[in-house]
Amino acid sequence: GENVEQHPSTLSVQEGDSAVIKCTYSDSASNYFPWYKQELGKRPQLIIDIRSNVGEKKDQRIAVTLNKTAKHFSLHITETQPEDSAVYFCAARPLSGTYKYIFGTGTRLKVLA
Amino acid sequence: EAGVAQSPRYKIIEKRQSVAFWCNPISGHATLYWYQQILGQGPKLLIQFQNNGVVDDSQLPKDRFSAERLKGVDSTLKIQPAKLEDSAVYLCASSLDRVNNEQFFGPGTRLTVL
Repeated sequence: GENVEQHPSTLSVQEGDSAVIKCTYSDSASNYFPWYKQELGKRPQLIIDIRSNVGEKKDQRIAVTLNKTAKHFSLHITETQPEDSAVYFCAARPLSGTYKYIFGTGTRLKVLA
Repeated sequence: EAGVAQSPRYKIIEKRQSVAFWCNPISGHATLYWYQQILGQGPKLLIQFQNNGVVDDSQLPKDRFSAERLKGVDSTLKIQPAKLEDSAVYLCASSLDRVNNEQFFGPGTRLTVL
């Protein structure tokens, strides 16, 4: 069935360093890939997304890259700050059927001051 | 704009009891989703509504879970009877439509089954 694998499950970085989180999806029909940030006890919030017709998208310190051939996409956070500490979820959605999101298992990012 | 509202925020029940959760989506959003998020895992879709019709309920344990969105706005999710493994956060989300629109999540209801 449809599946999204996410790695690593936990990631600790020093403030100012970069963080990279990687996801792999199984459904080749997936064409939309959002990333959500969930702070402790709060709702998931969309931070960036990418569609299959582009390979990279940037928004200030955050970027996402997509390799459709390999069915990989990654979140890159540069110049990390303590407020970036949260759980990050990737998701994949096909442009057909029910269009439902399949979420990864999450990455807990800790930015050490 | 106001966000997705959910209630209650927390609920503790004994196993075999019943529980209901309520969700009010963002005004004008046609698509409503209920997710189950077990600790340490990503959200798992339980049911998806388009207006008042069910689009996907393939992962809803229908022997104990039910959901409705009678007027195409608010929705309720019910568990009867609850099991220990139902302990999770139940997230409601909504989007303008299901095809090309962002999903906005509510704050969730944390359910503990003892």
